[in-house]
Amino acid sequence: DGGITQSPKYLFRKEGQNVTLSCEQNLNHDAMYWYRQDPGQGLRLIYYSQIVNDFQKGDIAEGYSVSREKKESFPLTVTSAQKNPTAFYLCASMNPGGNEQFFGPGTRLTVL
Amino acid sequence: GNSVTQMEGPVTLSEEAFLTINCTYTATGYPSLFWYVQYPGEGLQLLLKATKADDKGSNKGFEATYRKETTSFHLEKGSVQVSDSAVYFCALSRGGGFKTIFGAGTRLFVKA
Repeated sequence: DGGITQSPKYLFRKEGQNVTLSCEQNLNHDAMYWYRQDPGQGLRLIYYSQIVNDFQKGDIAEGYSVSREKKESFPLTVTSAQKNPTAFYLCASMNPGGNEQFFGPGTRLTVL
Repeated sequence: GNSVTQMEGPVTLSEEAFLTINCTYTATGYPSLFWYVQYPGEGLQLLLKATKADDKGSNKGFEATYRKETTSFHLEKGSVQVSDSAVYFCALSRGGGFKTIFGAGTRLFVKA
């Protein structure tokens, strides 16, 4: 079955530590996205990538970094510079020929 | 710029009640319009979409009609079930663009 996987589902880290969230897709989609969702809030775009080896900042990129070395993978690193990292993180992909986004199940990050 | 505005929640209904969640948009050109649904602790999934004016998207008893004259895409269901309890997001995507604009989400609670 094609889809998007995110791991782990729950992640706990101590304040000041960097942490990397995994996102893998086997849909052969070119474009991938990272969103942040806070309780009772909508989605905010962190970074997106339209093609391998290229990515752009979204609306709230400060304190985050990404890489896109392979078409199927788009990991997100939450750095110690992110002031309030505790949130639910969603990865998505889209084929540029279409306009529908496909989402992974999300990773809930808690910084203690 | 492009934007989506949807009614604030939460919306609380009894089982078998009629549901309407309002959504209006601002966009240049002719965007595609979407409703996504998010069940607790999960990622978003596409509920329905419409790609041009007067199109009606439908799925699982939910419907929405693309109204260009009122720039609206209201979600309706004739008889809600407890299992419909979720957060509903209205969204738009410009043709050829790589970013999707999401509304803030509307939480629906359905009581038995």
